[in-house]
Amino acid sequence: GNSVTQMEGPVTLSEEAFLTINCTYTATGYPSLFWYVQYPGEGLQLLLKATKADDKGSNKGFEATYRKETTSFHLEKGSVQVSDSAVYFCALRNGGQNFVFGPGTRLSVLP
Amino acid sequence: NAGVTQTPEFQVLKTGQSMTLQCAQDMNHEYMSWYRQDPGMGLRLIHYSVGAGITDQGEVPNGYNVSRSTTEDFPLRLLSAAPSQTSVYFCASSYDRGKTYEQYFGPGTRLTVT
Repeated sequence: GNSVTQMEGPVTLSEEAFLTINCTYTATGYPSLFWYVQYPGEGLQLLLKATKADDKGSNKGFEATYRKETTSFHLEKGSVQVSDSAVYFCALRNGGQNFVFGPGTRLSVLP
Repeated sequence: NAGVTQTPEFQVLKTGQSMTLQCAQDMNHEYMSWYRQDPGMGLRLIHYSVGAGITDQGEVPNGYNVSRSTTEDFPLRLLSAAPSQTSVYFCASSYDRGKTYEQYFGPGTRLTVT
């Protein structure tokens, strides 16, 4: 079946540090891949997406590249801010409209 | 547009009580779904609907019912609440945009069952 694995959190960084949150997936065929972000007390918001191999999704300084050969979609940002503190979810959609979410990674950025 | 709205924001129930979580969207999306979010487990799909009059079960449907009489509304009913249903519940809607479905989430309902 389809599944998503994310690195365990929480991740604590200082402001302006480099961020990587690992995400790997298991799926047949060619799923679409997503990163969602959840700020405290809010619902999930789409951060970025990629629909085919080697696509790079980007938004608000975050990037992730769809790597078919390693079944990965790691999230990166060159310089994090305190306002980036949130929970980040990797997700896939593989046919139909149902999504499969990873467990989430909590990021805390300290000033 | 209000997007996806959910009510109530918070709810406390006693074991055995029933209640309905409301969800509405004003974006004319055909697809709607309900998830529960538990610590360390991400979001798990409870029920979903691909259009008015059509519903189906997700990964964890037991103890919940849904109906979809209109495109806009997709209520989730807890038949007899149990402490295991303490969770945060999110409603989402989505549409097909050039083969990329994008889900829009409501703010969530935080439910505690005592």
